[in-house]
Amino acid sequence: ETGVTQTPRHLVMGMTNKKSLKCEQHLGHNAMYWYKQSAKKPLELMFVYNFKEQTENNSVPSRFSPECPNSSHLFLHLHTLQPEDSALYLCASSQNDRGRTEAFFGQGTRLTVV
Amino acid sequence: AQTVTQSQPEMSVQEAETVTLSCTYDTSESDYYLFWYKQPPSRQMILVIRQEAYKQQNATENRFSVNFQKAAKSFSLKISDSQLGDAAMYFCALFTSGTYKYIFGTGTRLKVLA
Repeated sequence: ETGVTQTPRHLVMGMTNKKSLKCEQHLGHNAMYWYKQSAKKPLELMFVYNFKEQTENNSVPSRFSPECPNSSHLFLHLHTLQPEDSALYLCASSQNDRGRTEAFFGQGTRLTVV
Repeated sequence: AQTVTQSQPEMSVQEAETVTLSCTYDTSESDYYLFWYKQPPSRQMILVIRQEAYKQQNATENRFSVNFQKAAKSFSLKISDSQLGDAAMYFCALFTSGTYKYIFGTGTRLKVLA
């Protein structure tokens, strides 16, 4: 258990559905991340939040919409997705102070778009 | 731009033997950190070991150690006395304080043979 919890673990959605992924960290960290992990590709950084402010949007399509209401919670809102968006979505958190920078990951949400 | 390269898609090691996984990176930042993460079939990314770039001494964690060659921008992971539970995907990652981003390599799948 890393202290980062993602729900749901699995999600199947149609291309016209709207759903949300949730991430919660109990580590007191000040930064949170969304990554996309597809087969045979490097982990793709999607969004970064530092102190609840979005500091990175890595050219992610607008059908993915992040929300960070506080430093412990991070959401990824999904709408009108495409089959190629099927992947493992990983949330991570870290405390970006010098000397304590390792990221802690959740178990991921396996998303299938049908 | 920061990059991380893992040139070994797959490696095999006999149980109780030693294996070395390779990683090279590139960054223009002077303040950065390097990590090795393990991702077993359960999907949870677990930190194996970390190295601060400003430290010359190679990090060690029990059976895991790194060979950090800063000038060559090389960061290899050595696993001694390999165990069946070491079988997983291993990712090398780079964090730079200037960008607050973790950049991952494509991973190396390690198989441990009984």
